[in-house]
Parts: sequence; C-alpha cells; structure tokens
Amino acid sequence: EAGVAQSPRYKIIEKRQSVAFWCNPISGHATLYWYQQILGQGPKLLIQFQNNGVVDDSQLPKDRFSAERLKGVDSTLKIQPAKLEDSAVYLCASSFIRESTFGSGTRLTVV
Amino acid sequence: QKEVEQNSGPLSVPEGAIASLNCTYSDRGSQSFFWYRQYSGKSPELIMSIYSNGDKEDGRFTAQLNKASQYVSLLIRDSQPSDSATYLCAVPGTYGSSNTGKLIFGQGTTLQVKP
Repeated sequence: EAGVAQSPRYKIIEKRQSVAFWCNPISGHATLYWYQQILGQGPKLLIQFQNNGVVDDSQLPKDRFSAERLKGVDSTLKIQPAKLEDSAVYLCASSFIRESTFGSGTRLTVV
Repeated sequence: QKEVEQNSGPLSVPEGAIASLNCTYSDRGSQSFFWYRQYSGKSPELIMSIYSNGDKEDGRFTAQLNKASQYVSLLIRDSQPSDSATYLCAVPGTYGSSNTGKLIFGQGTTLQVKP
C-alpha cells in the first residue's frame, strides 16, 4: 500500500512570509494528523481531522496557522506569517484504527 | 495534560549487546503504548505496540509494560549499528474526555550502537 505522501520535502523562507504544506494520506484512512517536530523533541500534534471535520485543534496557533482537509482526503497546512520559532519538521500522519503511519515530513527553515 | 518522559540519552551500547530504553507516563488510564523508531532526518516508524501488561516480543524487539508502575520499556537484543536511531515512546492523547487517536510523544532516546 502506498504510504503518506507529503510535499515539499524542504522549504526555506524568510520570517513574515507564508508557506503551505500538502499531505495525501493512505487510501481509506479517515483520520489525518499534522504534527510539528522541533529539533530534539518528540512530535507535537497541531491539528487532527476525521474525514473533513476538525477533531482537535487545541494546540494550533490559530493566529498564524490554518489547515483544511477538503473532500476528506488531501490536506494542506498553512503558516502566515512565519516566525523563526516555526522552524521544524511538519509531519503528516494518518490512521485507520489505532496505529498511525507518518509521512516523510517537510523540513521548514525560517530565516 | 498527559506527559511522557524519556531519558534523551545518548544511550551507547556495543554491537551485540542488549539495549534497554525506558519510558514513564503520567496518565494511569492509558491503555495503548507505542514505540516509534526515527532515523536522523527521517519520519517516525512504528516498531512496537503493546496494550496489556507483560512482555510482547517481535524478532529482536521486546516491549514490556507495567501499568502499576506506569512505565513501558523497549529491549533490543543483539543490537546492530543499524539500530542507531532515536526511539520515541507514545501514548494516545485525549480531547476533553474522548480518546481521539492522537499521540503524545516523549522527547525520544537516542541510541548509539558501536561496532
């Protein structure tokens, strides 16, 4: 089965610019997660979707981050405007029941 | 807020030895526990899941769960240099009172296996 697809793999932007990440989950996985992983730390959930509805966005900095999952499949995560502290790897994961599979991530560097 | 604690390491073991990685968690009600392996620059990969007290073995990996003491460990037998990675412990998180399937991760333990 194909894995979780993410793009781009790397992105370098200047602070205050905007950036968007894309994720395509494993076929049939209704649940999709976006995690942020700062260097040296474990991943931290930003937002969780069940089909195209938001389940948990309690840790999403809503003043600058937004995410959508139209049609319950692909998802995009956007940051506008970016700050230096947003430099991290953004991981998309999907799950069917209990076990999550992660994509390869997008490494964002904000300079 | 649930918490998961791991020693960040690095844990260094010689090739062929047993590597023991430990994790403690704060929520006594946690029912599922996961170990992910993350190579440098790569995404986390699920290597073990355990749901009941005791040991679960899969090849060279053994997960051990002790709910009374609120710890879960991962043993890697016959450690190989290819096992050098960061090992992340995770438990399911909740939103309100519902288990949503999201994961709460520890900071990870870096394992170095020296030839």
